[in-house]
Amino acid sequence: DVKVTQSSRYLVKRTGEKVFLECVQDMDHENMFWYRQDPGLGLRLIYFSYDVKMKEKGDIPEGYSVSREKKERFSLILESASTNQTSMYLCASSKMGSSGNTIYFGEGSWLTVV
Amino acid sequence: AQSVTQLDSQVPVFEEAPVELRCNYSSSVSVYLFWYVQYPNQGLQLLLKYLSGSTLVESINGFEAEFNKSQTSFHLRKPSVHISDTAEYFCAVSGVRGSTLGRLYFGRGTQLTVWP
Repeated sequence: DVKVTQSSRYLVKRTGEKVFLECVQDMDHENMFWYRQDPGLGLRLIYFSYDVKMKEKGDIPEGYSVSREKKERFSLILESASTNQTSMYLCASSKMGSSGNTIYFGEGSWLTVV
Repeated sequence: AQSVTQLDSQVPVFEEAPVELRCNYSSSVSVYLFWYVQYPNQGLQLLLKYLSGSTLVESINGFEAEFNKSQTSFHLRKPSVHISDTAEYFCAVSGVRGSTLGRLYFGRGTQLTVWP
């Protein structure tokens, strides 16, 4: 089975802190994604990557950056956390190729910024 | 770009009743369509997808969805729901060309609550 693992399920951080959310997948997928999920807004794409050291902005990249130094790992970075970044963050991966390939999700990281 | 509208944010039903979760999409190109399900405190799981061929697609747990190109819809149905179907359901769309790199555009979700 494909496994997408998000290292932290629940985090509480203070305003202004630097926050790292880590994601690892074990299926050698080329594509990796970071989404943010908020009630009533569905999932919104923050950043995605289709190869090591490659990244593309999604719909809401402001206040975030990403790092992909290894194929299996995709990190989301909040340089200076703010309360409006309190949310559920979902990492996902998929195989390069047809857009019909299934995207697999991690279980999510609940971030609260106080 | 593509977009998805899920017409109902909440759908309450009684156990063993039929249910339909509605989804409409907008796109200027050919699309693939997906339904994902999210159980409480979990990530999203693929329920079913339409890529090509038969417009009616089925999942292993009794859900089905029909692609209707003229109405740009991909509604999800189940003839008899169980309490265990209580979850949030997301409709999603992607373009079929490689430029989108498998990127999905999601609707805002429909919370299905099944009551005994």
